[in-house]
Amino acid sequence: DAKTTQPDSMESTEGETVHLPCSHATISGNEYIYWYRQVPLQGPEYVTHGLQQNTTNSMAFLAIASDRKSSTLILTHVSLRDAAVYHCILRVAGAKLTFGGGTRLTVRP
Amino acid sequence: GPKVLQIPSHQIIDMGQMVTLNCDPVSNHLYFYWYKQILGQQMEFLVNFYNGKVMEKSKLFKDQFSVERPDGSYFTLKIQPTALEDSAVYFCASSLEENTLYFGAGTRLSVL
Repeated sequence: DAKTTQPDSMESTEGETVHLPCSHATISGNEYIYWYRQVPLQGPEYVTHGLQQNTTNSMAFLAIASDRKSSTLILTHVSLRDAAVYHCILRVAGAKLTFGGGTRLTVRP
Repeated sequence: GPKVLQIPSHQIIDMGQMVTLNCDPVSNHLYFYWYKQILGQQMEFLVNFYNGKVMEKSKLFKDQFSVERPDGSYFTLKIQPTALEDSAVYFCASSLEENTLYFGAGTRLSVL
């Protein structure tokens, strides 16, 4: 059973801010929320991760709901290079990553 | 971010032959992983490896598959013998202790 739920696809335009949602209603207390992205013919790229607090880095802002049952990856000023499949994955420290279908983000010029 | 190198980027072999896929993980990383992705499909976990041992493997990790990291060099995935259904892109990943996984660019294996 999938532990996270993401929309199959989203669209944006260059320069906009994009909010990628992820639902994880059955998350356990020791599970981190990881985000990876993948473009065709390349390996998954780490974007960010968090446990409970919102996090930010050069790539994205991760907003985590107070009950941890959902999260949102926020990409500001998106460019064509941000077009990818974005994966939201729950992971206990030290465990493998289990990928689902993710959200395919299309960025229009 | 940290770089994981995979050699070669593409390999073509005949069914029944042996193939070894090589992964040069991030230098101080201790945990290693192999994933398989068939074109247009999801990434599938194969195996992870730590301290010279397989920690966990999936049902996709057939008896024909083996992994090793001799003397701290490349982390390898060997398939012997290969089958047509082994055609896919194989991704290697590594992590430091229990932290974030970093992936290589993949090796595309074509079994003819």
